[in-house]
Amino acid sequence: QVHLVQSGAEVKKPGASVRVSCKTSGYTFTTCDINWVRQATGQGLEWMGWMNTDSGNTGYAQKFQGRVSITRDTSISTAYLDLAGLSSEDTAFYYCARTGCGDYDFDYWGQGTLVTVSS
Amino acid sequence: SYELTQPPSVSVSPGQTARITCSGDLLTKKYAYWCQQRSGQAPLLIIYDDDKRPSGIPERFSGSTSGTVATLTISGAQVEDEADYYCYSRDNNTNPIFGGGTKLTVL
Repeated sequence: QVHLVQSGAEVKKPGASVRVSCKTSGYTFTTCDINWVRQATGQGLEWMGWMNTDSGNTGYAQKFQGRVSITRDTSISTAYLDLAGLSSEDTAFYYCARTGCGDYDFDYWGQGTLVTVSS
Repeated sequence: SYELTQPPSVSVSPGQTARITCSGDLLTKKYAYWCQQRSGQAPLLIIYDDDKRPSGIPERFSGSTSGTVATLTISGAQVEDEADYYCYSRDNNTNPIFGGGTKLTVL
């Protein structure tokens, strides 16, 4: 059974960085891409970027270029989202989701991680 | 930048048919997908490749696309279908893009 389990909630000060992890199980990690999507309170879904977990290639939404990084550790089937230069506008739930395998994209999602940015 | 446009809200009575639209120029060339997000939960894919339904999704959910408009139809909406619904597709760079979401009220 496929599972994507994310790390716990974070509280950060403005200007700081945050790392969110996404530990996968139930499938071969390197056969699927991992995407990161965020959702501010009461707002819609916003795609941030993706990683080919086999090659390590990444792609990021233009809005986040320069302050977002997606990495992975294949030995523990885990992907990471790093976001730098946090501001209150980055307060949101962050989700990882799987694409590029199975019958359709975004078939499995993590449970979400709340990142709160507050002074 | 490319956008997918959805109505902010749709309201129906239980048993009625709910239709949620998603407009985007690239929908003539790219598939539309739909996900359901209940309050406090992660999104759940309910329609892929315009009109296909993953296993376990009730038959009352269906999708269609005509030209630049994709439509999610819920035939005989139930109270438990009350949720936010998002369409998504891909832009010319094959990056995912989400619509703004539609809040479905069933009462």
